[in-house]
Order: sequence, then structure tokens, then C-alpha cells
Amino acid sequence: NAGVTQTPKFRILKIGQSMTLQCAQDMNHNYMYWYRQDPGMGLKLIYYSVGAGITDKGEVPNGYNVSRSTTEDFPLRLELAAPSQTSVYFCASRTESYEQYFGPGTRLTVT
Amino acid sequence: QQQVKQSPQSLIVQKGGIPIINCAYENTAFDYFPWYQQFPGKGPALLIAIRPDVSEKKEGRFTISFNKSAKQFSLHIMDSQPGDSATYFCAASTKAAGNKLTFGGGTRVLVKP
Repeated sequence: NAGVTQTPKFRILKIGQSMTLQCAQDMNHNYMYWYRQDPGMGLKLIYYSVGAGITDKGEVPNGYNVSRSTTEDFPLRLELAAPSQTSVYFCASRTESYEQYFGPGTRLTVT
Repeated sequence: QQQVKQSPQSLIVQKGGIPIINCAYENTAFDYFPWYQQFPGKGPALLIAIRPDVSEKKEGRFTISFNKSAKQFSLHIMDSQPGDSATYFCAASTKAAGNKLTFGGGTRVLVKP
């Protein structure tokens, strides 16, 4: 199993541009999550999904959108990128016994 | 209500010492308390987790102590090694609403040789 994979690893965006961060898992987990981690801080939940077709907001959803058309994929969309969205983004999926496994992250800089 | 407070922010110990990281929470609905280890440039990795019906759990050199009445839990790293140098995060979640994790702010641990 590859586990949780994320692409790209790094990206630089100009203010106002849009992009999609990709996340995929091959463990057949129903639950998936997107977090952001600002320098020296803990992780904050952006959006989560409890299964294909079902998504919900987390703690910091503004400026982001998600979709979940398949069990495997959970892309995160940034519209009109702002400097405040400069962060490291982590995707995770969860087993039935609550264990969350994280991807390697995408480091995003908005200038 | 959802906050998890973690202390200290950083910790330096000599090899073989026992770093202790503490976390406190307010939400009594939390029923799952994991600890994550994160190395620079990597994603968090699940280290060990505990549920509130257990007061202590050990996995290898890592031990969680849980005090339900005080709403506190802590991580002890026994016989710490330089390879344990990393940032450690505590977290908490409930069964409700997608089992969303609320993270503490992290503790940077440095184990000197």
C-alpha cells in the first residue's frame, strides 16, 4: 500500500490564482481530512469527508472547497489564493479504529 | 471548549533522559487521545493513543498517562535517544461529527547525545 499520497510537494502561487491540491489513499478508508499547519503551530482542520459524496467544514474552511467523488480521492481547491493561505497542507485518512494516517504534505507559498 | 493545551513548547534532555509532555483539555466528550511525532519536512506519524477508560498505556519506550478527573494526559519517552528529536503533538477527538482531531500546539523535543 502507498498509504496517503499528496501532490504537488511544493507550489508557489501568485495572489488571486487558483489551484487544486491532490490527495489519494489506497486503504479503502471512508474518512478523509484536510489540515493546514502554519509554522511552529499545530494542525487545524479545513474540511473532512465521511464517505464518497459527503463533505463538511472543519475549523478553518474559508477560502477552500473540497469534493469527494470516490473513496480514494479527496482534492482540496483553493480559489483566489491569498498570502494568509501560505502554509503546509496535510491530507489524512482514518481507519475504523480512529487511527488517522497523514500524507507527506504540500508546502504552499502565496506571494 | 474544543481547545487542547500542550506544554512545554520545547524541551531539551540528555540521551537517556525522560522528556515529559503534558496536555489538558476541556471538552468532556473527547474519547480518543492520540500522540503524533513529526520530523522536519514530514507528515505527522501516529505514535500511540489512549481512550479514557485506561489510565496508562505503553508501547515500546513511549508511555501515555491519562487522568480523566483532571482532564489531562501526558507522554513520557523512556530512555530517550537522539533519534527521538522531533516535534510531538497531542490531540483529542470525539466519536461524533467525523471524529475530527483537535491538536495541541506541539512540543519540540531535542535529545542531546
